[in-house]
Amino acid sequence: RKEVEQDPGPFNVPEGATVAFNCTYSNSASQSFFWYRQDCRKEPKLLMSVYSSGNEDGRFTAQLNRASQYISLLIRDSKLSDSATYLCVVKPSGGSYIPTFGRGTSLIVHP
Amino acid sequence: ETGVTQTPRHLVMGMTNKKSLKCEQHLGHNAMYWYKQSAKKPLELMFVYSLEERVENNSVPSRFSPECPNSSHLFLHLHTLQPEDSALYLCASSQADTANYGYTFGSGTRLTVV
Repeated sequence: RKEVEQDPGPFNVPEGATVAFNCTYSNSASQSFFWYRQDCRKEPKLLMSVYSSGNEDGRFTAQLNRASQYISLLIRDSKLSDSATYLCVVKPSGGSYIPTFGRGTSLIVHP
Repeated sequence: ETGVTQTPRHLVMGMTNKKSLKCEQHLGHNAMYWYKQSAKKPLELMFVYSLEERVENNSVPSRFSPECPNSSHLFLHLHTLQPEDSALYLCASSQADTANYGYTFGSGTRLTVV
């Protein structure tokens, strides 16, 4: 099983739709979790951290399920500008600081 | 300047050339990373410098050599590269010993080896 797995997509959705991505991780001792957004030919940028109790930032909601070892990202009311690749990032515990990036999930929002 | 700055933004080099990529971070972070991202492929960790130690991906060829003179600067020295080394090279920094602390990337150097 890969350390961090994501469905590569693409997810092709109309404007205004709600879309959700999941990301599974294999190391049960993982400490911190993040969602990054990467636009074509650009660097990844932090979208949001994922907290144990779940957290929301505007149209974006992130959740963590430690029992099943996955995190999710929900995007409501999709905009054309949400089209990008969404990367799941897992930071280990135990003093290691090297993150593991998922391959990313491609989202295409069309008019 | 703020954040993570990488230079040059674009680089075209021949297979016999020697060049260096530069990264500078102004965030006070204590860890810096080099990543390679080839077209339609995931990020590949190349090297990490943190807390005065270096970690490397053993699959990275020796024609790539990193240098980290201090916690704010990171270099990637390139020599006798191959066309398959053409990719986006990304530098990142973070606070290694802080939970829930993410990674900040530079804009990258788009390298083409001819």
